[in-house]
Amino acid sequence: GAVVSQHPSRVICKSGTSVKIECRSLDFQATTMFWYRQFPKQSLMLMATSNEGSKATYEQGVEKDKFLINHASLTLSTLTVTSAHPEDSSFYICSARRRGGYEQYFGPGTRLTVT
Amino acid sequence: KQEVTQIPAALSVPEGENLVLNCSFTDSAIYNLQWFRQDPGKGLTSLLLIQSSQREQTSGRLNASLDKSSGRSTLYIAASQPGDSATYLCAVRRWEYGNKLVFGAGTILRVKS
Repeated sequence: GAVVSQHPSRVICKSGTSVKIECRSLDFQATTMFWYRQFPKQSLMLMATSNEGSKATYEQGVEKDKFLINHASLTLSTLTVTSAHPEDSSFYICSARRRGGYEQYFGPGTRLTVT
Repeated sequence: KQEVTQIPAALSVPEGENLVLNCSFTDSAIYNLQWFRQDPGKGLTSLLLIQSSQREQTSGRLNASLDKSSGRSTLYIAASQPGDSATYLCAVRRWEYGNKLVFGAGTILRVKS
């Protein structure tokens, strides 16, 4: 158990448009989901933490109006990159955590390319 | 602020060699430490998790040690195989900070056949 999926796996969008990335926990209920960004040859940087039914908590330096996070159900969180620019091109990875647990289960990631 | 450093940044070894990857962290007040594997363009696979009260964990050819007081962990891979080629990330967790993981930049391992 503890499988997390992401969709899409790859997306290319034009500068100025918005793109939505989905993160789903397939076989468990995720009360908390995390969104990370990873630039080439760099580590994962936590962008925000979302708890089901409440607003996301963003890390310092992450624009909440640009990276909209919604955690509407116990199995789905979405990250919307609004008005995307080439510098937003990156690998976005989500993880999910069960209620009362601490271990995070990671999705396979989404490669975003903004042209 | 917790910082995690991994050395070396990259490593290339012949098949069959035993190897050690290093991870250090600046704040020793951790809840646990976790080693992950990441294949190119993929997500993370958890390898080993060591609680702060533990000294080591083993899984197959992998052995991870933890010296919390000195802020160090090592991942030992025995009899390396080409299939071990990947990026290895270590991450530390502090319970008070919302259970967040702080990652190192990783070690890129290439095992040559």
